[in-house]
Amino acid sequence: GNSVTQMEGPVTLSEEAFLTINCTYTATGYPSLFWYVQYPGEGLQLLLKATKADDKGSNKGFEATYRKETTSFHLEKGSVQVSDSAVYFCALRSLTGANSKLTFGKGITLSVRP
Amino acid sequence: NAGVTQTPKFQVLKTGQSMTLQCAQDMNHEYMSWYRQDPGMGLRLIHYSVGAGITDQGEVPNGYNVSRSTTEDFPLRLLSAAPSQTSVYFCASTRSGRTDTQYFGPGTRLTVL
Repeated sequence: GNSVTQMEGPVTLSEEAFLTINCTYTATGYPSLFWYVQYPGEGLQLLLKATKADDKGSNKGFEATYRKETTSFHLEKGSVQVSDSAVYFCALRSLTGANSKLTFGKGITLSVRP
Repeated sequence: NAGVTQTPKFQVLKTGQSMTLQCAQDMNHEYMSWYRQDPGMGLRLIHYSVGAGITDQGEVPNGYNVSRSTTEDFPLRLLSAAPSQTSVYFCASTRSGRTDTQYFGPGTRLTVL
């Protein structure tokens, strides 16, 4: 079956530090890959996505590249801000229609200090 | 455009009580899901629906019932609440395509005493 593995957290960084959050996956077929973000007290919202190998998703300074050879979709940001403090979830979706379910990693909490 | 709405935002129940968590979407999405979020466990799929009249079990369905009589609504019923069902519940909707984004509601925080 499908699975998503995220690095263990939490992660605490100082403002303007470089961020990498690792995500690897196991899936049947050709999955689409997603990063969702959950700000305190809110639901999840899409941060970025990539739908085929070598695609790069980007949004709000965050980037992630779909690497089929290493089955990875690591999230990066060059300079984090306090407002980036949130929980980040990696997810995949591999099929269309009735069998199409989103599989999530466990999430990682990021705290950014001023 | 309201997106995905959930009610209530907070609820406290006693063990054995029943209740229904409401979820509605106005995007004409075929696919709707219920998740629970617990510390250290991420999001776990409870039930999902691929269209009106069609529902199926997810990863943790025990103790929960769902129905989908319309495209817009997907209520989650707790038949006899237990403390193990204390959690934050999220409803989500999406079109059914592999590349489509899932949209989440704001969540319901449920405490069972």
